[in-house]
Amino acid sequence: DAGITQSPRHKVTETGTPVTLRCHQTENHRYMYWYRQDPGHGLRLIHYSYGVKDTDKGEVSDGYSVSRSKTEDFLLTLESATSSQTSVYFCAISESTSGFYEQYFGPGTRLTVT
Amino acid sequence: KNQVEQSPQSLIILEGKNCTLQCNYTVSPFSNLRWYKQDTGRGPVSLTIMTFSENTKSNGRYTATLDADTKQSSLHITASQLSDSASYICVVSSQAGTALIFGKGTTLSVSS
Repeated sequence: DAGITQSPRHKVTETGTPVTLRCHQTENHRYMYWYRQDPGHGLRLIHYSYGVKDTDKGEVSDGYSVSRSKTEDFLLTLESATSSQTSVYFCAISESTSGFYEQYFGPGTRLTVT
Repeated sequence: KNQVEQSPQSLIILEGKNCTLQCNYTVSPFSNLRWYKQDTGRGPVSLTIMTFSENTKSNGRYTATLDADTKQSSLHITASQLSDSASYICVVSSQAGTALIFGKGTTLSVSS
């Protein structure tokens, strides 16, 4: 998985509780992304980062926030988890966004909100 | 609206047989098209990336084709193996940037 780890790998939480997912990379890539994958949908971008402390919203950002204080770590926070946020979350990294940049994906975190 | 449609949704084939997966897209402007393989419980892994000017690209037993005029792509798998059982995802980049549009994937099951 291209030097990308995600933690936790599985989590069950209750509605209304805050949840933080962590993505850690050892590739020193500039760009990091958070996606969610749900049945009947393609992967959808939540937020991405183009550098330390530089982030932007994706297609489905409502209810999520992110932070990147170090190149290697990108955190995704669900401020008050809802059942609709039950999903598999993937982190991805890329070195660039120009030309043929490759996005490498982490192993995923399965989150269940009860 | 930018969309990527894949067919069939699922497919079952016998080990050793060939198969072809289809992808149609309505993405503009078009930068490149990618095919990813996603094993169960894992993240997607890139198989091929093709630009507007490329119409065929191979990666071992995987061959992708692209017809930019009709906005169609296919992924052909030759001499399938049990390890080919996975979801295959077509992804189109609308620009050299963060805008990737993912298809829902085709689930391939290879049986012995």
